[in-house]
Amino acid sequence: GQNIDQPTEMTATEGAIVQINCTYQTSGFNGLFWYQQHAGEAPTFLSYNVLDGLEEKGRFSSFLSRSKGYSYLLLKELQMKDSASYLCAVSDSNYQLIWGAGTKLIIKP
Amino acid sequence: TAGITQAPTSQILAAGRSMTLRCTQDMRHNAMYWYRQDLGLGLRLIHYSNTAGTTGKGEVPDGYSVSRANTDDFPLTLASAVPSQTSVYFCASSDTPDSRTQYFGPGTRLTVL
Repeated sequence: GQNIDQPTEMTATEGAIVQINCTYQTSGFNGLFWYQQHAGEAPTFLSYNVLDGLEEKGRFSSFLSRSKGYSYLLLKELQMKDSASYLCAVSDSNYQLIWGAGTKLIIKP
Repeated sequence: TAGITQAPTSQILAAGRSMTLRCTQDMRHNAMYWYRQDLGLGLRLIHYSNTAGTTGKGEVPDGYSVSRANTDDFPLTLASAVPSQTSVYFCASSDTPDSRTQYFGPGTRLTVL
């Protein structure tokens, strides 16, 4: 079956760095996505990886290792507004997104 | 630009009643999707449409139907609601089925009693 695993909840301190991991097993692979979702709101796109390596976008970076079925999202210089759920999703062989349950990130002052 | 709109924002529905959740996008995207989001579970695809006039079943289609008469609208109908359909429903769209980004509407919170 298809499966996306990520931690349920993480806590970090304002100004620090946090890494959110995601492992996946899917039928086919056409890219891995990270979305941010604030409580009560819609998911919004953060990053996309289809090749191995690191993609950097401001304070956020996303890494992919296809051979290991592994990705992480790195958030630097954490701000209170980064408190949200972070959703990992994989595009399968039919280009349908398979979603993880999300990681709730709590930022403490 | 409105992007994607959904209506209603929230609804309480008696079991056995029917309801249509509305979704409209103004980005001229070809592909549209309906997901449900339940606590502790990832977003699950209910139905999708790769282009106007075509629809397909996702992971959890039972009890739901969709239509895609034109590019902009993608309504989701519950013919006879059951309590297990209590969820938050998100409509999304992408330029093409293999686009890198899906854009989400604000969601509809549905409670079936």
